[in-house]
Amino acid sequence: RKEVEQDPGPFNVPEGATVAFNCTYSNSASQSFFWYRQDCRKEPKLLMSVYSSGNEDGRFTAQLNRASQYISLLIRDSKLSDSATYLCVVNEGRDDKIIFGKGTRLHILP
Amino acid sequence: DVKVTQSSRYLVKRTGEKVFLECVQDMDHENMFWYRQDPGLGLRLIYFSYDVKMKEKGDIPEGYSVSREKKERFSLILESASTNQTSMYLCASRTGMSEAFFGQGTRLTVV
Repeated sequence: RKEVEQDPGPFNVPEGATVAFNCTYSNSASQSFFWYRQDCRKEPKLLMSVYSSGNEDGRFTAQLNRASQYISLLIRDSKLSDSATYLCVVNEGRDDKIIFGKGTRLHILP
Repeated sequence: DVKVTQSSRYLVKRTGEKVFLECVQDMDHENMFWYRQDPGLGLRLIYFSYDVKMKEKGDIPEGYSVSREKKERFSLILESASTNQTSMYLCASRTGMSEAFFGQGTRLTVV
């Protein structure tokens, strides 16, 4: 089983719709989790951290399910500018590596 | 704002050359990472370092080495560049369990 798995997409979604991505991770001892956004030919940038209780930032909601070892990202009222690749990121420990999923491509259609 | 700076945005090197990719961060982060990113393969970890002079192999260390003589600087070395090392190279840094911050990337072409 791969360490961090995401559906590569692409997800083609009309503007204004709601879209959700999941990401599964294999190491139950993983300690922190993030969603990053990467635009074409640019570096990844932090979108939001993922907390155990779930957290929201505007149109974006992230959730963590430790029992089933997955995290999710929900985007409401999607905008054209949301088109990007979304990377799921797992921290395995303080002095340990961080693992990236391969990313999910999202295209918002006008 | 955290700043992670990679020495070159684009680089073209010949097969067999020794190549140095430099990364500097200005936020006193303990951990630094080198990844390469290729279409369809995502980000793959080459090496990481959790302290000065410390290094750990990532998933694809073959053909690469690293150096961390100062806390703010983490260098990736291609001992003898080959065409299969043509890729986007990304440096990142973090402190503790915080999020990682990335440099702008170096697009290396080996001809």
